[in-house]
Amino acid sequence: ETGVTQTPRHLVMGMTNKKSLKCEQHLGHNAMYWYKQSAKKPLELMFVYNFKEQTENNSVPSRFSPECPNSSHLFLHLHTLQPEDSALYLCASSQEETSGHYEQYFGPGTRLTVT
Amino acid sequence: GQNIDQPTEMTATEGAIVQINCTYQTSGFNGLFWYQQHAGEAPTFLSYNVLDGLEEKGRFSSFLSRSKGYSYLLLKELQMKDSASYLCAVRDSNYQLIWGAGTKLIIKP
Repeated sequence: ETGVTQTPRHLVMGMTNKKSLKCEQHLGHNAMYWYKQSAKKPLELMFVYNFKEQTENNSVPSRFSPECPNSSHLFLHLHTLQPEDSALYLCASSQEETSGHYEQYFGPGTRLTVT
Repeated sequence: GQNIDQPTEMTATEGAIVQINCTYQTSGFNGLFWYQQHAGEAPTFLSYNVLDGLEEKGRFSSFLSRSKGYSYLLLKELQMKDSASYLCAVRDSNYQLIWGAGTKLIIKP
């Protein structure tokens, strides 16, 4: 596997379910991100992990819970979601340096539908 | 607040040239990125500008004017496969990426 992978690609869940999204990066990067992408809206940054430490949590509801066990893996645990949480969830990684640019590499996303 | 503005949708003809504009108001500036996103796929990196001027990369070029808070992405010799959304993003003073909503580009034969 190369790049950034995400599983599952599609997920349908009820509001009372608990599920987890998985992301894995094979690029040796030290930072990983969760984004939410809704139709015709800007990408919304949810969480950032840098060297496995969470450095950003953009006022995300507690029904979303991230986990970063190591610099290659990132999870997003979901529970008691709402229909408005239906969206494409994108994982990204980058190599954070003190100088230079470091573009983010995205996974294919998980299309989540909450019923 | 921080804001990135880009047109919602543009249409162009195969073989032609199209310019997609992006204006931004952010807390500081540490670079501007353009990404391409085909429907149902992940965004992929196209270009990066941190200094004023034009960066050319094959059929794609990106321009930046920091004093005007303005950038554009220029696509030449358009091909049908260029039909996609183009996302503008600015890295602010905290090194966080602020994203535009994207411009959907439709290429017609």
